[in-house]
Amino acid sequence: DVKVTQSSRYLVKRTGEKVFLECVQDMDHENMFWYRQDPGLGLRLIYFSYDVKMKEKGDIPEGYSVSREKKERFSLILESASTNQTSMYLCASSGQGVPDTQYFGPGTRLTVL
Amino acid sequence: GEDVEQSLFLSVREGDSSVINCTYTDSSSTYLYWYKQEPGAGLQLLTYIFSNMDMKQDQRLTVLLNKKDKHLSLRIADTQTGDSAIYFCAESSTGGYNKLIFGAGTRLAVHP
Repeated sequence: DVKVTQSSRYLVKRTGEKVFLECVQDMDHENMFWYRQDPGLGLRLIYFSYDVKMKEKGDIPEGYSVSREKKERFSLILESASTNQTSMYLCASSGQGVPDTQYFGPGTRLTVL
Repeated sequence: GEDVEQSLFLSVREGDSSVINCTYTDSSSTYLYWYKQEPGAGLQLLTYIFSNMDMKQDQRLTVLLNKKDKHLSLRIADTQTGDSAIYFCAESSTGGYNKLIFGAGTRLAVHP
C-alpha cells in the first residue's frame, strides 16, 4: 500500500514564525503536491514537484515556498506565517502511470495565532 | 478555465440511496475521480471512471458519467452511518504532471 506521511497532525505557530511542513512518501512517486483545504473552497493547489529539485507554482503560491531535495520528501515552507494561513494542509503523491491517482497524507491542521 | 462544482451538503436516512452530483468544465479530462474524506483524515480514492465510459459499478457505489452535459454522479446504495464524510469530485487537469482539479466537496450526513 502507498503510504504518505506528514510530520505533524496539529501545529500551532505565532505570526511571523517560519514554519516547515514535511511530507514523505514510500512509493518512489515522481510527483508530489501540497494543497490547502478550507471549508467551502475544497482543495487548492499551492505547489507541486515532478522531480527532485523541480517545482512548479500551483493556484495559490503566495506566502509559501517548497523544497524537494530527495525524491521521497517534499517540504512546504511558510517564510513568515500569517493568520490567514491557518488551514488544513494536505500532501499527496502520484506516479507517472495511468490513471493519475493521487495518494494523500492525513493532513496537518495549522493554526497561526 | 478548469472548474469543478458540487453542492455542499446532502442529508439522507440510513438505508436510503445517496446521490452526489458534480459538474466539470474540461471536456478533455481523461479520468474523473471520487475521493472520500472522513473526519480528521486525508482523502482516500473511492473510485474513478475513464472518460469513454458511461457507468462504473463497484459494490455499493455506482458512478454515472454524462459527457455531453459534463455531469458526474456518485450513487451510494444502502447508505450507512460509516458513509458520513466529505466526498470530492476531481478531474484530470490538462496541465499535465498528473494534476487534479477538485470540487469544493459534498458533506454527506447519514441519520437514523
